[in-house]
Amino acid sequence: QVQLVQSGAEVKKPGASVKVSCKASGYTFTSYGISWVRQAPGQGLEWMGWISAYNGNTNYAQKLQGRVTMTTDTSTSTAYMELRSLRSDDTAVYYCARDPSAYYYDSSGYSLYWGQGTLVTVSS
Amino acid sequence: QSVLTQPPSVSGAPGQRVTISCTGSSSNIGAGYDVHWYQQLPGTAPKLIIYGNSNRPSGVPDRFSGSKSGTSASLAITGLQAEDEADYYCQSYDSSLSGSIFGGGTKLTVL
Repeated sequence: QVQLVQSGAEVKKPGASVKVSCKASGYTFTSYGISWVRQAPGQGLEWMGWISAYNGNTNYAQKLQGRVTMTTDTSTSTAYMELRSLRSDDTAVYYCARDPSAYYYDSSGYSLYWGQGTLVTVSS
Repeated sequence: QSVLTQPPSVSGAPGQRVTISCTGSSSNIGAGYDVHWYQQLPGTAPKLIIYGNSNRPSGVPDRFSGSKSGTSASLAITGLQAEDEADYYCQSYDSSLSGSIFGGGTKLTVL
């Protein structure tokens, strides 16, 4: 069965960086992309970006350009999301999700499988 | 402010039908991009319930249906059940932002 297992909760200080991992299993990792979505406490969902697990192509949300980097390690079927220069409003649960867009970002993308979420708290 | 506008809340009695709207613009829904819907129970990851405007993933009851017209989309839930009480989000693509977007979410209360 398809599973996405994310790394544990993190507490960071403002200005620091965080790297969240998402280990995939139950499917051919390079046949899909991975999207990252975050949700601030009590707030809605925010799309952060997408990465192709096949060729590493990325498409980042304009709001996060320059602060976010998404990568994959095909040898371990793991995707990573690094967010730099953290601010208090980056405090959120971060989700990875499998995306059917495998090679380039498809505007019709949606996510059937999701990780369990990783809480990132930014506080001094 | 979300690019896709949803009502903050809707409610209905068990057995009733409710609809949740998702209003966009000419750069997203109105441009023909697909709309997807997710259900999120408290403390859990979102669950895909409608994809490609009106398609249901395997295992999603046919009480859930989706439609799209012009710059808006709708999620309808018939035969409302207590377990349907959750937050619902629409998702689409926006050409101006060159990325995916979510609606602000709608909290469904089953009375």
